[in-house]
Amino acid sequence: DTAVSQTPKYLVTQMGNDKSIKCEQNLGHDTMYWYKQDSKKFLKIMFSYNNKELIINETVPNRFSPKSPDKAHLNLHINSLELGDSAVYFCASSQGLLMNTEAFFGQGTRLTVV
Amino acid sequence: AQSVTQLDSQVPVFEEAPVELRCNYSSSVSVYLFWYVQYPNQGLQLLLKYLSGSTLVKSINGFEAEFNKSQTSFHLRKPSVHISDTAEYFCAVRGHNDYKLSFGAGTTVTVRA
Repeated sequence: DTAVSQTPKYLVTQMGNDKSIKCEQNLGHDTMYWYKQDSKKFLKIMFSYNNKELIINETVPNRFSPKSPDKAHLNLHINSLELGDSAVYFCASSQGLLMNTEAFFGQGTRLTVV
Repeated sequence: AQSVTQLDSQVPVFEEAPVELRCNYSSSVSVYLFWYVQYPNQGLQLLLKYLSGSTLVKSINGFEAEFNKSQTSFHLRKPSVHISDTAEYFCAVRGHNDYKLSFGAGTTVTVRA
């Protein structure tokens, strides 16, 4: 009955590899997000999709490519992984773009690039 | 655009003592305000939120926060903390006409017996 679920929870990979993180929400929300939490625990938004349309694309290397096959899913694909990509990545969802609702977060994916 | 400043990066506190975590925001438009909590090795959970109406909002586990528009603050308080309140606390803001949630740098609360 998890509201926002991410897989995998942990991901260890070598530099240069390509990896994906999956996110699914069963809340019926129409907006989903990816946030990156660095080693100092600072949270920064990367992307946001509303009804499968990209609406926020912060200054993120183009090695990162989000894909939203439907409103309930937002996956994150990362090409040519670098050491600096090591972080915890959180998926989140909310209802509506400008409505007064909070975002619900997944448990996070801890990515370690070695 | 909005920004959030959490004035304390670390707050050590003894069990059953009160705690206050300070949060100030900057915005040119009206805002929604949130406090999220992150327990060790877990995701973020919403603690409480201010959307409109009463400026004092409360959570079910004893936390409260007060929206002060003139001081652009949303400080979080709890009169008596438990060991289980040890966590990272994030203040967040979203403008009424903004799509994204902006977070502060977080405050680490460590409760000791």
